[in-house]
Amino acid sequence: GQNIDQPTEMTATEGAIVQINCTYQTSGFNGLFWYQQHAGEAPTFLSYNVLDGLEEKGRFSSFLSRSKGYSYLLLKELQMKDSASYLCAVRDPRDYGQNFVFGPGTRLSVLP
Amino acid sequence: KAGVTQTPRYLIKTRGQQVTLSCSPISGHRSVSWYQQTPGQGLQFLFEYFSETQRNKGNFPGRFSGRQFSNSRSEMNVSTLELGDSALYLCASSSNRDRGLNTEAFFGQGTRLTVV
Repeated sequence: GQNIDQPTEMTATEGAIVQINCTYQTSGFNGLFWYQQHAGEAPTFLSYNVLDGLEEKGRFSSFLSRSKGYSYLLLKELQMKDSASYLCAVRDPRDYGQNFVFGPGTRLSVLP
Repeated sequence: KAGVTQTPRYLIKTRGQQVTLSCSPISGHRSVSWYQQTPGQGLQFLFEYFSETQRNKGNFPGRFSGRQFSNSRSEMNVSTLELGDSALYLCASSSNRDRGLNTEAFFGQGTRLTVV
């Protein structure tokens, strides 16, 4: 089966740091992706992990532990524009395809 | 480089009707995937096309179908619409150059379908 869990909602203060966790149990694994989706807009790519460890990209970092089926997205120096839903997704490796299993998304609210 | 374009942006249909949605991928991208997004179920994979062939399919009934043309543009069709088909339908394209490794998917703005 395919199961990805994330917290439904999180709240943080402008300038703070927030960590959004994602746990997954999938029949296959070919990379874990994080997407950001503002209300009414398309999801946009944030980060990608296929090996264990931390990937840093500016204010955003993503961590992966394949043995634990666990990832997190770390957002530093939060800004109001970071208020959005954050989607964790695992890519299914079947036929080297591009189909993703998405988690339910975490709605982050950044308060002044 | 132009992004992924989906048309129409909004659509209202009646139960029992059928609908066709269109997606133009980023130039050079040969993989096109379709997703359904609803508040209750989140983003769910419908199917993926690559070089005019359906490569993968999600767990949706046969009323949902699609196709891809030689220019990589894709259409999805939903027949005999039900109220529960009301959702945001997203299309994503990717280059898939190196057999799917380390290539993210780029999403279009989506088509918001309302079935009444």
